[in-house]
Amino acid sequence: GENVEQHPSTLSVQEGDSAVIKCTYSDSASNYFPWYKQELGKGPQLIIDIRSNVGEKKDQRIAVTLNKTAKHFSLHITETQPEDSAVYFCAAIPKGEKLTFGTGTRLTIIP
Amino acid sequence: DTGVSQDPRHKITKRGQNVTFRCDPISEHNRLYWYRQTLGQGPEFLTYFQNEAQLEKSRLLSDRFSAERPKGSFSTLEIQRTEQGDSAMYLCASSWTGKNTEAFFGQGTRLTVV
Repeated sequence: GENVEQHPSTLSVQEGDSAVIKCTYSDSASNYFPWYKQELGKGPQLIIDIRSNVGEKKDQRIAVTLNKTAKHFSLHITETQPEDSAVYFCAAIPKGEKLTFGTGTRLTIIP
Repeated sequence: DTGVSQDPRHKITKRGQNVTFRCDPISEHNRLYWYRQTLGQGPEFLTYFQNEAQLEKSRLLSDRFSAERPKGSFSTLEIQRTEQGDSAMYLCASSWTGKNTEAFFGQGTRLTVV
């Protein structure tokens, strides 16, 4: 089955700086890579995703890049704001299969 | 509200009791997932359905756990003879296999076994 590793486990950045979270996956059949943001006591919220036929996708301050050859993908948050503080999870899914999550990154934005 | 709905949000039960959780997916979604999440960890897969068929169960899912989706709409997750190790957040998600595969989560049910 799929195995997803995520780094770093914690990340602190100054407000206004950029944050980068990296994930690697093991199953070359994985073709869909979502990112979730989870706030305390709430369920994960889908914030951006990328499919295997695309190398990069951007949505305002959030972008995701995918390197299929190296089997890794990254989340980039620019101009960070206090409300970006949360736990972020990457995930991977082979076509028709289940989501497998990384272990999460606790992002703290320092005002 | 057309998102994924879970009930109850919180459940405190005594060890040995049975509990049942309900998940109502987004109405047009045919796939429904259950995950378990403990503090500081990512969601762990438990089981998933496509319509009413249960397609896969995790090895984590002991015989005390059972899930159903009788009409291909809402789902229930039952835990029998609860143990303290069952304390966790139980998350439900749904998706539509025919389109973009995005999975949306509910707010979860937090179970505390005392």
